[in-house]
Amino acid sequence: AQSVTQLDSQVPVFEEAPVELRCNYSSSVSVYLFWYVQYPNQGLQLLLKYLSGSTLVKGINGFEAEFNKSQTSFHLRKPSVHISDTAEYFCAVSDQAAGNKLTFGGGTRVLVKP
Amino acid sequence: DVKVTQSSRYLVKRTGEKVFLECVQDMDHENMFWYRQDPGLGLRLIYFSYDVKMKEKGDIPEGYSVSREKKERFSLILESASTNQTSMYLCASSSGGRLDGYTFGSGTRLTVV
Repeated sequence: AQSVTQLDSQVPVFEEAPVELRCNYSSSVSVYLFWYVQYPNQGLQLLLKYLSGSTLVKGINGFEAEFNKSQTSFHLRKPSVHISDTAEYFCAVSDQAAGNKLTFGGGTRVLVKP
Repeated sequence: DVKVTQSSRYLVKRTGEKVFLECVQDMDHENMFWYRQDPGLGLRLIYFSYDVKMKEKGDIPEGYSVSREKKERFSLILESASTNQTSMYLCASSSGGRLDGYTFGSGTRLTVV
């Protein structure tokens, strides 16, 4: 069975500073990896996804993530955050055995301070 | 744009009531999902459906059932609401066989008193 661990439940960061959100997964087969963002009082939006190919994936709003198979990680980064990046971020994994089902991590709440 | 619409943003129900949460998508997606979201636990899958009249249990189906009579509509039913079902409920849909990820609704925050 697959699982996802987001190592930080909350990350405070100052505006214009870089941020990294950590995500580790467990799966015994080829995986597909996703990051979603949830702004206050909204549903989840897809930020980026890794299906195959280049391990560095660029998403919307200046975010990027790197797939590291040996470390089973898919960390999300942004070099300079804005106040508007204050949100909760979810990492998710799927694999061929799971079909189209996603398993989500517990979420990381990012608070950007001025 | 794909739209997933959940009929209510906020609901307050009494213990023991039968509760219906409705979800409609407008892009002819085959797959639909119901999750509940609780602080620190992320999203947990309750039920999902890959086709009309088809349903499968997710990770936490106890106390819930679902109905999918039409392709665009996926209903979550709480047979007898309890206080531990107070949560945010999120509906999602995706295209069959494609790994584009899900499109989510805005969520229904259910409080059972």
